[in-house]
Amino acid sequence: EAGVAQSPRYKIIEKRQSVAFWCNPISGHATLYWYQQILGQGPKLLIQFQNNGVVDDSQLPKDRFSAERLKGVDSTLKIQPAKLEDSAVYLCASSLEGVPGELFFGEGSRLTVL
Amino acid sequence: GQQVMQIPQYQHVQEGEDFTTYCNSSTTLSNIQWYKQRPGGHPVFLIQLVKSGEVKKQKRLTFQFGEAKKNSSLHITATQTTDVGTYFCAGLRSNDYKLSFGAGTTVTVRA
Repeated sequence: EAGVAQSPRYKIIEKRQSVAFWCNPISGHATLYWYQQILGQGPKLLIQFQNNGVVDDSQLPKDRFSAERLKGVDSTLKIQPAKLEDSAVYLCASSLEGVPGELFFGEGSRLTVL
Repeated sequence: GQQVMQIPQYQHVQEGEDFTTYCNSSTTLSNIQWYKQRPGGHPVFLIQLVKSGEVKKQKRLTFQFGEAKKNSSLHITATQTTDVGTYFCAGLRSNDYKLSFGAGTTVTVRA
């Protein structure tokens, strides 16, 4: 079974530039999550999708972050404009169930903002 | 802020020794999950506990869910170098079904 796919693995940008990350969850997983993991901290939920609808985006900084999951499969997370404090690993995860059961994480996309 | 607290933040262990890491929540949890993240890797699911007082074992790892469903622990016996990494607990809050990760316990092993 293929795992959660993410790209790019690494991205370096200057502050105020934009960046987009892509995620393809495990086939059949209805729920998709984007997490931000700052070095030395636990993953922090940015947004949760159930199929193509948003379940929770309460911690998403909506002035600069946006995410979509068209057709209820793959998803894109965008940051525009980036700030220095956005430097982190962006983890995508998927799960079978709506109420979080086991989460399957991708390898993550490491963002460095200079 | 972080509503699930983990202690200790760092654990330096001599190979062969035992250690325990603890997870505490300010609110009652429906379930608690544990994940392991190797250095440079991504979190990998270890186990989920649902029932009050539940104890589950995976080889040298013993997981426990507190009677009040507000705390959990992970005990590792006879630590090996393969146990190196950061262990996260993630609690599913009963009031809003949101999953909240702790900051993790980072384990290093002295051979």
